[in-house]
Amino acid sequence: NAGVTQTPKFRVLKTGQSMTLLCAQDMNHEYMYWYRQDPGMGLRLIHYSVGEGTTAKGEVPDGYNVSRLKKQNFLLGLESAAPSQTSVYFCASSYSHTISSTDTQYFGPGTRLTVL
Amino acid sequence: SQQGEEDPQALSIQEGENATMNCSYKTSINNLQWYRQNSGRGLVHLILIRSNEREKHSGRLRVTLDTSKKSSSLLITASRAADTASYFCATASTSGTYKYIFGTGTRLKVLA
Repeated sequence: NAGVTQTPKFRVLKTGQSMTLLCAQDMNHEYMYWYRQDPGMGLRLIHYSVGEGTTAKGEVPDGYNVSRLKKQNFLLGLESAAPSQTSVYFCASSYSHTISSTDTQYFGPGTRLTVL
Repeated sequence: SQQGEEDPQALSIQEGENATMNCSYKTSINNLQWYRQNSGRGLVHLILIRSNEREKHSGRLRVTLDTSKKSSSLLITASRAADTASYFCATASTSGTYKYIFGTGTRLKVLA
């Protein structure tokens, strides 16, 4: 049981390049999330998914796209990377069914992205 | 905008002392959770307190919630060097969305 895994762990991009971050979970969780973490800002939600084939915008969705084609995978794409997207990206998953659920989020180890 | 704000931003204590950190939030919540993040790692869930609870314990952790003041505190008793980490609160709003809002975190350093 690997929990939540993220690939790659590190990446350096040039402005304008594209890339996809992969998140995988083996806990059969319905909900998956992508966050970015910047110094002094805490975690900010980019996009999330409440089930296979569905996605929704979070706090800071601009410049990112996501897809949830399989329940266990949640992909985050940057179509044209910008220096402002330099950050650490975390994926998380949870088994929540309703808004009042007490389920917690399980986090991956993060991807450190630098855009030059 | 950030829902949770932790206070203090940084805290340095000696091993064996207690550490207290606070979280304030802005809107009505269903529950509030505390997470720990070791340097360079993902977040790990510590404890959850529901909006109808006032206090909860888990090992050396004690969490309180005051919904009238929209605040929560996390107390770590008898701290150890291994407790050195950043601590975040996360709130689940009653507004009907399936997401948590994280605060900016408290960096705790426990000196051996």
